[in-house]
Amino acid sequence: EADIYQTPRYLVIGTGKKITLECSQTMGHDKMYWYQQDPGMELHLIHYSYGVNSTEKGDLSSESTVSRIRTEHFPLTLESARPSHTSQYLCASSDSSVHEQYFGPGTRLTVT
Amino acid sequence: SQQGEEDPQALSIQEGENATMNCSYKTSINNLQWYRQNSGRGLVHLILIRSNEREKHSGRLRVTLDTSKKSSSLLITASRAADTASYFCATDALRGTDKLIFGTGTRLQVFP
Repeated sequence: EADIYQTPRYLVIGTGKKITLECSQTMGHDKMYWYQQDPGMELHLIHYSYGVNSTEKGDLSSESTVSRIRTEHFPLTLESARPSHTSQYLCASSDSSVHEQYFGPGTRLTVT
Repeated sequence: SQQGEEDPQALSIQEGENATMNCSYKTSINNLQWYRQNSGRGLVHLILIRSNEREKHSGRLRVTLDTSKKSSSLLITASRAADTASYFCATDALRGTDKLIFGTGTRLQVFP
């Protein structure tokens, strides 16, 4: 089992609220990723980081923002949640020496 | 447009039968990976095959890669009910980076 954690696992929140999804890994991986996945669909990369203070947007446009102040921590923030943000958000990490990514359990977000 | 497409979209078999899933991609790659996702959970890495490899085995898993056809297949032999999950292929989006593009996934159900 990978040492990568996401909280909360489930979140139901009203429109307009600010939310932060937490992701932490204890493997010392330099690369971290955020994916968005709708039920039964493929994953889309929305943010990635190659190291501390390095963040870039992924292939799918997202209104969320991320920060990477510490190697082990890669939180994702939505300033004003909308129903269109309802989805599952998966965090992953990888080491420069290997290509496989380790995934957290995901946060299922519902915006009402 | 997405890099990987998989077929079938869904597959139902009996325990003990073999399951084959196929993945096609569009651009040249360094490697191709297969991941498994149990319902509502994160992904787990299964196997990686490099572009200069044609076949790779891991336990009951057999992966083939045909770079001329830009396709890969995942074979699960002697399937078990516990193999029920979604299976995704993933290719490196840009050569020399660790960004992955995931396929659409195959939902496998194995009946006891």
